[in-house]
Amino acid sequence: DQQVKQNSPSLSVQEGRISILNCDYTNSMFDYFLWYKKYPAEGPTFLISISSIKDKNEDGRFTVFLNKSAKHLSLHIVPSQPGDSAVYFCAASRGSNYKLTFGKGTLLTVNP
Amino acid sequence: DGGITQSPKYLFRKEGQNVTLSCEQNLNHDAMYWYRQDPGQGLRLIYYSQIVNDFQKGDIAEGYSVSREKKESFPLTVTSAQKNPTAFYLCASSKSTGSSYEQYFGPGTRLTVT
Repeated sequence: DQQVKQNSPSLSVQEGRISILNCDYTNSMFDYFLWYKKYPAEGPTFLISISSIKDKNEDGRFTVFLNKSAKHLSLHIVPSQPGDSAVYFCAASRGSNYKLTFGKGTLLTVNP
Repeated sequence: DGGITQSPKYLFRKEGQNVTLSCEQNLNHDAMYWYRQDPGQGLRLIYYSQIVNDFQKGDIAEGYSVSREKKESFPLTVTSAQKNPTAFYLCASSKSTGSSYEQYFGPGTRLTVT
């Protein structure tokens, strides 16, 4: 049973526009959420996170929104740049358990 | 520079052979993790360790073994019992206390078994 779902395998946007990547989760015990960016043949790099006590966290061009009632989070990238082209993974954790559960990822392509 | 190193980057083995993947970190993190990634799949947890001399199975531990004799090192052995060993293997580490849960990843090892 997939507890973290990224239903869009891919997304294509124009440079300068907004990229919105979505993630849904089913386990209501999750209370910490993270986004990672991954280039081919490299390890993922941490981008931004949000605790369940917040509904928004912002870091430069990246903003994560959390809607607990809908069990949904999204990552907004504004403005999108060609260097943002990568696979983005959503991950979730619960309580003091430091294990992360990952979604399958969304391939973002930003066209010049 | 603090970070996680995995070696080698590419590894080739014949079917039926055991192979050990190296993972070292100098971030002074207590917890370490092994994941595998297959095409079109997310990261699936193989094993994790939150403290030296202790480790737990993840979601897909069958055919794998680990040891944690030192805080800095968490080697993964892919045994001949693993039915589909060809994959991209990622090691990660994190703090095991506090309120942040970020895991930091190494560059990965691509294992090909023929």
